[in-house]
This record gives sequence, structure tokens and C-alpha cells, in this order.
Amino acid sequence: RKEVEQDPGPFNVPEGATVAFNCTYSNSASQSFFWYRQDCRKEPKLLMSVYSSGNEDGRFTAQLNRASQYISLLIRDSKLSDSATYLCVVNGRGKLTFGQGTILTVHP
Amino acid sequence: GAGVSQSPSNKVTEKGKDVELRCDPISGHTALYWYRQSLGQGLEFLIYFQGNSAPDKSGLPSDRFSAERTGGSVSTLTIQRTQQEDSAVYLCASSQRRDWSTDTQYFGPGTRLTVL
Repeated sequence: RKEVEQDPGPFNVPEGATVAFNCTYSNSASQSFFWYRQDCRKEPKLLMSVYSSGNEDGRFTAQLNRASQYISLLIRDSKLSDSATYLCVVNGRGKLTFGQGTILTVHP
Repeated sequence: GAGVSQSPSNKVTEKGKDVELRCDPISGHTALYWYRQSLGQGLEFLIYFQGNSAPDKSGLPSDRFSAERTGGSVSTLTIQRTQQEDSAVYLCASSQRRDWSTDTQYFGPGTRLTVL
């Protein structure tokens, strides 16, 4: 079993749609969690950290369920510029473990 | 301010040759990490440096891979006797590492290595 598992997609959605990505992790000792975004042939960039209480940043909402070892990302009102690969990332004492990524394509 | 920089951006080499990849972290960041991303694969941790502590080399795939960090700043990843399966994008990241549980890593643009 992979340490961090994501649905690879691809997700193809129209502009304005709401889309949700899920991620599970296997190491219950993991301490911090992130969503990164990676554009084609570019480096990963931090999108947002994920906290147990859930957190929101504009159109993006992240949730963490420690009991189920489950992380989610919700994107509302999708924009064309949201098209990218979204990486679920788990921090185990400083060493990041990445999921395979979920590909999102937002079309007009 | 300046982000993480890496050089070269692209490197094409012949099988069996040695290569050196360089990373300049963000000024003031004490932690430095190397990852690689093979085509169609996720990012794979290779090694990390934190201050003067011994590096965590647990992700290095073979003894052909080594890395050093001089003066607590610039790092060099060396791959000896390159093989075709070493072809990948090698990404460097740095962080302030004040508290690893909330640590945020910032990535450089990567070096795309192609072994012919």
C-alpha cells in the first residue's frame, strides 16, 4: 500500500464547477499535511496547509480527518487557471511524502 | 526575495558519466531537501540536510548517489556512473525548519536530467 494515495483522475470540469479531491495516508504518526499544486513541467508550489479544524482560503477548502487518515480539498467556482496537478503531501518528521497527484482540467 | 535556484536547468549525459546538480536554497533557510520526479511518477524523497546535523540519506536509491552541503548553504547532488533509469527531474527544496510539524518547503525549478 502506498503511503499517500490519491485518485489520479483526470477530472474534467466546466468553469464554475465545484470539484473535490480525496487523499488517504497510511502513517498514523504523520504530523502535518499539505496540498501542493504542480503545473506542467513546473515545480510544486504550496497551495495550502491542512488543519484538523478545516481551513479555507478563498475558493479552496481543506479538511483533515485524523481518525480516518483522510484529507480532502474542495475547489469552488473553478477557473481555467485551476487546471493543474494537485498533490496531497504528508509530513513525517520533516520528510515529505507525496501522493501521485490528481490531474484537474477546467474547460470553458 | 529570491527563491530556491537550481543549476543546470537541463542536463543531457551519456550512460556511465558522472553528473553534479546544484541547489542554492533560500537565504536563511536551514533545511535543504532533494527529491526526484520520474516521468509519470510522484515525487520521491532522496536526502535532507538540517543545519550541522548528519543528513538523512534514507531515500538515496543506491550508493551511486551522494550529496553534500557546504557551509550550510549550497548543496550538490552527485550521481556517479549514471544509468538510464536515473533520468528524472531532480528537485531541491528548502525550509526554515523552526518547527518541523508546521514546516513549509519551497521548491526550486528543478534540473531535468536525461541519460542517453
